[in-house]
Amino acid sequence: GAVVSQHPSWVICKSGTSVKIECRSLDFQATTMFWYRQFPKQSLMLMATSNEGSKATYEQGVEKDKFLINHASLTLSTLTVTSAHPEDSSFYICSARRSGALYNEQFFGPGTRLTVL
Amino acid sequence: AQSVSQHNHHVILSEAASLELGCNYSYGGTVNLFWYVQYPGQHLQLLLKYFSGDPLVKGIKGFEAEFIKSKFSFNLRKPSVQWSDTAEYFCAVSGRGGSQGNLIFGKGTKLSVKP
Repeated sequence: GAVVSQHPSWVICKSGTSVKIECRSLDFQATTMFWYRQFPKQSLMLMATSNEGSKATYEQGVEKDKFLINHASLTLSTLTVTSAHPEDSSFYICSARRSGALYNEQFFGPGTRLTVL
Repeated sequence: AQSVSQHNHHVILSEAASLELGCNYSYGGTVNLFWYVQYPGQHLQLLLKYFSGDPLVKGIKGFEAEFIKSKFSFNLRKPSVQWSDTAEYFCAVSGRGGSQGNLIFGKGTKLSVKP
């Protein structure tokens, strides 16, 4: 149990286009999902916390108008990178926390490799 | 500031050697502690976690970690590594629930095990 999927697993797009990444909890409900960005040979940096039915909470330095997050259901959160530029190329990872969990155990998706040309 | 420090960037061991990866954290308040592993080409998987109780925590695949509150440490250990343990290991800390529930990751330690 506790499987998180992401789609697509990789995407290549032209500069200026928008890209949507989906994160799904397949066998549990997740009130809270998290979006991370991982740079090569570095750790995961939290971008935003996505709560079902409410606005996402963005970390300092993350542009909310550029990285649009929607958490429309208890099993789906989406991250849209708007007007993507080459510097947005990265590995984006989502995680999900079970609804009602007492402790902060997160289950991670496999990640999405975004390359902006 | 809240942070997690992993002392070693890259560790190279031979099979059957013992492993200890260091992790120290800076966090005010009660913490939850985690070790995640990322095998080549795969996603992050939870190795073990500490929430409360016995500070010596046993995880999957023979790994264990000890929470030493006085040292703000949560080191990962395995008595005898295998080639299949080659991966990147991340230590993470969070507070308890609510706005303190975000995970803060260390920079990771790459483990290479020579057959």
